[in-house]
Amino acid sequence: QQQVKQSPQSLIVQKGGISIINCAYENTAFDYFPWYQQFPGKGPALLIAIRPDVSEKKEGRFTISFNKSAKQFSLHIMDSQPGDSATYFCAARTQWEGNEKLTFGTGTRLTIIP
Amino acid sequence: SAVISQKPSRDICQRGTSLTIQCQVDSQVTMMFWYRQQPGQSLTLIATANQGSEATYESGFVIDKFPISRPNLTFSTLTVSNMSPEDSSIYLCSVEEYGYTFGSGTRLTVV
Repeated sequence: QQQVKQSPQSLIVQKGGISIINCAYENTAFDYFPWYQQFPGKGPALLIAIRPDVSEKKEGRFTISFNKSAKQFSLHIMDSQPGDSATYFCAARTQWEGNEKLTFGTGTRLTIIP
Repeated sequence: SAVISQKPSRDICQRGTSLTIQCQVDSQVTMMFWYRQQPGQSLTLIATANQGSEATYESGFVIDKFPISRPNLTFSTLTVSNMSPEDSSIYLCSVEEYGYTFGSGTRLTVV
């Protein structure tokens, strides 16, 4: 129940296209859903995040779509660029009794081809 | 958001030895988190460290293997003890301040 399922495992998109990565969860106690971008040799960097009372959030070329009833959320990268080639992780947070924890998806390796 | 400095950035260690990883944050934070990322894999939480209390470990991780110190609100260490090749991973610290921020990680290779 603590899992976050992420798909696809890898994705190849042409430059200028839309990259879409999906995540699904079971635990309704998750209250915060961030997306991270990780380049080789670097730590994950927070891209964008959403709370479950919002269905969509957009920041520049990055959009999160959130479907609470389906327990799914997705990252859309518009006008994908070669510099977007990286591994992307979705995550979900639980909080309880003064504790908190992020549970990560398995990651998607995105490659943008010219 | 917080800036995290992690040391060392990488190390190659002999099996049976221990390595202590340092995490320094540029602001005071209540919780610090330690993660492990095995090669090509996702991130797994090892433990949560609050200043002034014992760290809370996730299932599968024990204090004897991964002792953690949290002497103040800006600093923490994670020790990987009695290392084996299976401990070869990237170890990351993280804090929550306007979103969860990660250090650049320590890439550990055990030979």
